[in-house]
Amino acid sequence: DVKVTQSSRYLVKRTGEKVFLECVQDMDHENMFWYRQDPGLGLRLIYFSYDVKMKEKGDIPEGYSVSREKKERFSLILESASTNQTSMYLCASSFRGATYEQYFGPGTRLTVT
Amino acid sequence: DQQVKQNSPSLSVQEGRISILNCDYTNSMFDYFLWYKKYPAEGPTFLISISSIKDKNEDGRFTVFLNKSAKHLSLHIVPSQPGDSAVYFCAASGRSNDYKLSFGAGTTVTVRA
Repeated sequence: DVKVTQSSRYLVKRTGEKVFLECVQDMDHENMFWYRQDPGLGLRLIYFSYDVKMKEKGDIPEGYSVSREKKERFSLILESASTNQTSMYLCASSFRGATYEQYFGPGTRLTVT
Repeated sequence: DQQVKQNSPSLSVQEGRISILNCDYTNSMFDYFLWYKKYPAEGPTFLISISSIKDKNEDGRFTVFLNKSAKHLSLHIVPSQPGDSAVYFCAASGRSNDYKLSFGAGTTVTVRA
Protein backbone atom coordinates (compact mmCIF):
# COMPACT_ATOMS: atom_id res chain seq x y z
CA ASP A 1 0.00 0.00 0.00
CA VAL A 2 1.49 3.30 -1.12
CA LYS A 3 2.15 5.75 1.62
CA VAL A 4 3.01 9.41 1.22
CA THR A 5 3.57 11.27 4.46
CA GLN A 6 3.99 14.97 5.12
CA SER A 7 5.84 16.29 8.13
CA SER A 8 3.10 18.53 9.48
CA ARG A 9 -0.68 18.67 9.15
CA TYR A 10 -0.90 22.27 10.34
CA LEU A 11 1.73 24.98 10.41
CA VAL A 12 1.60 28.64 11.40
CA LYS A 13 4.49 30.89 10.41
CA ARG A 14 5.22 34.59 10.41
CA THR A 15 5.83 36.71 7.34
CA GLY A 16 9.48 36.57 6.32
CA GLU A 17 10.25 33.24 7.98
CA LYS A 18 11.91 30.44 6.07
CA VAL A 19 9.58 27.44 5.92
CA PHE A 20 10.38 23.81 5.17
CA LEU A 21 7.70 21.31 4.18
CA GLU A 22 8.85 17.70 4.07
CA CYS A 23 7.39 14.80 2.12
CA VAL A 24 8.39 11.13 2.24
CA GLN A 25 7.12 8.25 0.09
CA ASP A 26 7.77 4.57 0.66
CA MET A 27 7.07 3.09 -2.78
CA ASP A 28 10.35 3.79 -4.53
CA HIS A 29 8.63 6.22 -6.90
CA GLU A 30 10.86 8.21 -9.23
CA ASN A 31 8.53 11.21 -9.57
CA MET A 32 7.53 13.52 -6.74
CA PHE A 33 5.36 16.61 -6.89
CA TRP A 34 4.38 19.61 -4.79
CA TYR A 35 0.98 21.26 -5.30
CA ARG A 36 -0.97 23.93 -3.55
CA GLN A 37 -4.74 23.79 -3.30
CA ASP A 38 -6.77 26.98 -3.09
CA PRO A 39 -10.56 27.45 -3.21
CA GLY A 40 -11.80 27.99 -6.74
CA LEU A 41 -8.39 27.19 -8.24
CA GLY A 42 -8.01 23.47 -7.62
CA LEU A 43 -4.54 21.97 -7.43
CA ARG A 44 -1.71 23.90 -9.01
CA LEU A 45 1.72 22.39 -9.57
CA ILE A 46 4.59 24.23 -7.87
CA TYR A 47 7.56 21.95 -8.63
CA PHE A 48 8.20 18.39 -9.50
CA SER A 49 11.21 16.09 -9.46
CA TYR A 50 11.77 13.06 -11.69
CA ASP A 51 14.96 11.89 -10.01
CA VAL A 52 17.30 12.63 -7.15
CA LYS A 53 18.74 16.15 -7.42
CA MET A 54 16.57 16.82 -10.48
CA LYS A 55 13.75 19.34 -10.45
CA GLU A 56 11.50 21.19 -12.84
CA LYS A 57 9.30 24.20 -12.33
CA GLY A 58 5.59 23.75 -12.41
CA ASP A 59 2.96 26.37 -13.07
CA ILE A 60 3.55 28.57 -10.00
CA PRO A 61 7.19 28.23 -8.81
CA GLU A 62 7.69 31.86 -7.78
CA GLY A 63 8.57 32.20 -4.11
CA TYR A 64 9.34 28.50 -3.71
CA SER A 65 12.32 26.20 -4.08
CA VAL A 66 12.72 22.45 -3.65
CA SER A 67 15.30 19.91 -2.64
CA ARG A 68 15.57 16.23 -3.39
CA GLU A 69 18.69 14.68 -1.94
CA LYS A 70 17.22 11.20 -1.50
CA LYS A 71 14.77 9.33 -3.70
CA GLU A 72 12.12 9.00 -1.01
CA ARG A 73 12.20 12.60 0.24
CA PHE A 74 11.12 15.83 -1.44
CA SER A 75 11.21 19.15 0.39
CA LEU A 76 9.42 22.37 -0.43
CA ILE A 77 11.07 25.56 0.81
CA LEU A 78 9.51 28.96 1.20
CA GLU A 79 12.54 31.24 1.38
CA SER A 80 10.64 34.17 2.88
CA ALA A 81 7.04 33.32 3.66
CA SER A 82 4.35 35.78 2.64
CA THR A 83 0.65 35.93 3.47
CA ASN A 84 -0.30 34.97 -0.09
CA GLN A 85 1.40 31.64 0.49
CA THR A 86 -1.23 30.69 3.04
CA SER A 87 -2.66 27.54 1.49
CA MET A 88 -3.02 23.77 1.62
CA TYR A 89 0.15 22.10 0.32
CA LEU A 90 -0.06 18.61 -1.12
CA CYS A 91 2.79 16.29 -1.97
CA ALA A 92 2.38 13.44 -4.46
CA SER A 93 4.50 10.71 -6.01
CA SER A 94 4.31 8.37 -9.00
CA PHE A 95 6.33 5.91 -11.01
CA ARG A 96 8.31 7.41 -13.87
CA GLY A 97 6.19 5.76 -16.55
CA ALA A 98 2.90 6.76 -14.94
CA THR A 99 3.19 10.45 -14.29
CA TYR A 100 -0.57 10.85 -14.12
CA GLU A 101 -1.20 8.07 -11.58
CA GLN A 102 -0.20 10.07 -8.58
CA TYR A 103 -0.50 9.18 -4.91
CA PHE A 104 -1.06 12.06 -2.55
CA GLY A 105 -0.13 12.80 1.04
CA PRO A 106 -2.69 14.19 3.50
CA GLY A 107 -1.60 17.79 3.02
CA THR A 108 -0.14 20.55 5.17
CA ARG A 109 -2.33 23.53 5.99
CA LEU A 110 0.08 26.47 6.16
CA THR A 111 -0.99 29.80 7.58
CA VAL A 112 1.34 32.78 7.23
CA THR A 113 0.49 35.70 9.51
CA ASP B 1 -5.33 30.32 -17.50
CA GLN B 2 -6.99 27.14 -16.32
CA GLN B 3 -7.09 24.50 -19.02
CA VAL B 4 -9.44 22.27 -17.07
CA LYS B 5 -12.68 23.76 -15.78
CA GLN B 6 -15.32 22.49 -13.43
CA ASN B 7 -18.02 25.10 -13.56
CA SER B 8 -20.20 23.70 -10.79
CA PRO B 9 -18.55 24.25 -7.41
CA SER B 10 -21.13 22.14 -5.61
CA LEU B 11 -23.75 19.47 -6.15
CA SER B 12 -26.38 18.14 -3.74
CA VAL B 13 -28.09 14.83 -4.50
CA GLN B 14 -30.37 12.46 -2.66
CA GLU B 15 -29.06 9.07 -1.64
CA GLY B 16 -29.83 6.48 -4.31
CA ARG B 17 -30.06 9.00 -7.14
CA ILE B 18 -27.55 9.73 -9.86
CA SER B 19 -24.76 12.29 -9.41
CA ILE B 20 -23.44 13.87 -12.61
CA LEU B 21 -20.24 15.91 -12.44
CA ASN B 22 -19.05 17.86 -15.45
CA CYS B 23 -15.65 18.96 -16.66
CA ASP B 24 -14.50 20.94 -19.70
CA TYR B 25 -11.01 21.32 -21.08
CA THR B 26 -9.44 23.67 -23.58
CA ASN B 27 -6.21 21.92 -24.59
CA SER B 28 -6.91 19.60 -27.52
CA MET B 29 -3.58 17.85 -26.90
CA PHE B 30 -4.81 16.29 -23.66
CA ASP B 31 -5.18 12.55 -24.17
CA TYR B 32 -5.75 11.12 -20.71
CA PHE B 33 -8.34 12.18 -18.18
CA LEU B 34 -8.80 11.31 -14.55
CA TRP B 35 -11.10 11.91 -11.64
CA TYR B 36 -9.76 12.21 -8.12
CA LYS B 37 -11.81 12.18 -4.92
CA LYS B 38 -10.84 14.10 -1.81
CA TYR B 39 -12.21 13.83 1.71
CA PRO B 40 -11.52 16.59 4.26
CA ALA B 41 -8.10 16.29 5.92
CA GLU B 42 -6.97 13.70 3.37
CA GLY B 43 -5.10 13.87 0.11
CA PRO B 44 -6.88 13.22 -3.20
CA THR B 45 -7.20 9.58 -4.23
CA PHE B 46 -7.50 8.28 -7.76
CA LEU B 47 -11.04 7.27 -8.70
CA ILE B 48 -11.30 6.52 -12.41
CA SER B 49 -9.65 7.44 -15.69
CA ILE B 50 -10.24 7.38 -19.43
CA SER B 51 -7.98 7.50 -22.44
CA SER B 52 -8.86 9.67 -25.41
CA ILE B 53 -9.26 6.57 -27.58
CA LYS B 54 -12.37 5.65 -25.60
CA ASP B 55 -15.62 7.44 -24.96
CA LYS B 56 -16.70 5.55 -21.87
CA ASN B 57 -15.11 3.77 -18.94
CA GLU B 58 -17.02 2.07 -16.16
CA ASP B 59 -15.93 0.88 -12.74
CA GLY B 60 -18.70 -0.29 -10.48
CA ARG B 61 -20.94 2.64 -9.62
CA PHE B 62 -18.65 5.11 -11.40
CA THR B 63 -18.72 5.82 -15.14
CA VAL B 64 -16.74 8.46 -16.99
CA PHE B 65 -17.88 9.69 -20.40
CA LEU B 66 -15.62 11.56 -22.81
CA ASN B 67 -16.82 13.74 -25.68
CA LYS B 68 -13.67 14.80 -27.50
CA SER B 69 -15.39 17.00 -30.06
CA ALA B 70 -16.96 19.03 -27.25
CA LYS B 71 -13.83 18.80 -25.06
CA HIS B 72 -16.10 17.63 -22.28
CA LEU B 73 -16.13 14.78 -19.81
CA SER B 74 -18.53 13.78 -17.10
CA LEU B 75 -18.53 11.46 -14.12
CA HIS B 76 -21.71 9.57 -13.25
CA ILE B 77 -22.17 8.01 -9.84
CA VAL B 78 -25.08 5.58 -9.65
CA PRO B 79 -26.50 5.09 -7.09
CA SER B 80 -25.09 7.87 -4.92
CA GLN B 81 -24.22 6.90 -1.36
CA PRO B 82 -23.45 9.03 1.72
CA GLY B 83 -19.80 7.96 1.53
CA ASP B 84 -19.60 9.63 -1.86
CA SER B 85 -19.80 13.04 -0.20
CA ALA B 86 -16.43 14.57 -1.05
CA VAL B 87 -14.68 16.99 -3.39
CA TYR B 88 -14.17 15.61 -6.89
CA PHE B 89 -11.35 16.92 -9.07
CA CYS B 90 -11.16 16.45 -12.80
CA ALA B 91 -7.61 16.24 -14.21
CA ALA B 92 -6.07 15.97 -17.66
CA SER B 93 -2.71 15.01 -19.02
CA GLY B 94 -0.92 14.86 -22.34
CA ARG B 95 2.28 15.33 -24.24
CA SER B 96 1.68 19.08 -24.41
CA ASN B 97 2.22 19.39 -20.65
CA ASP B 98 4.83 16.64 -20.37
CA TYR B 99 2.21 14.26 -19.05
CA LYS B 100 1.82 16.26 -15.84
CA LEU B 101 -1.65 16.69 -14.45
CA SER B 102 -3.75 19.83 -14.91
CA PHE B 103 -6.55 19.97 -12.37
CA GLY B 104 -9.94 21.61 -12.31
CA ALA B 105 -11.16 23.61 -9.33
CA GLY B 106 -13.21 20.75 -7.91
CA THR B 107 -16.89 20.02 -7.27
CA THR B 108 -18.14 19.38 -3.74
CA VAL B 109 -20.72 16.62 -3.73
CA THR B 110 -23.12 16.25 -0.83
CA VAL B 111 -25.29 13.15 -0.72
CA ARG B 112 -28.42 13.66 1.40
CA ALA B 113 -29.93 10.74 3.29
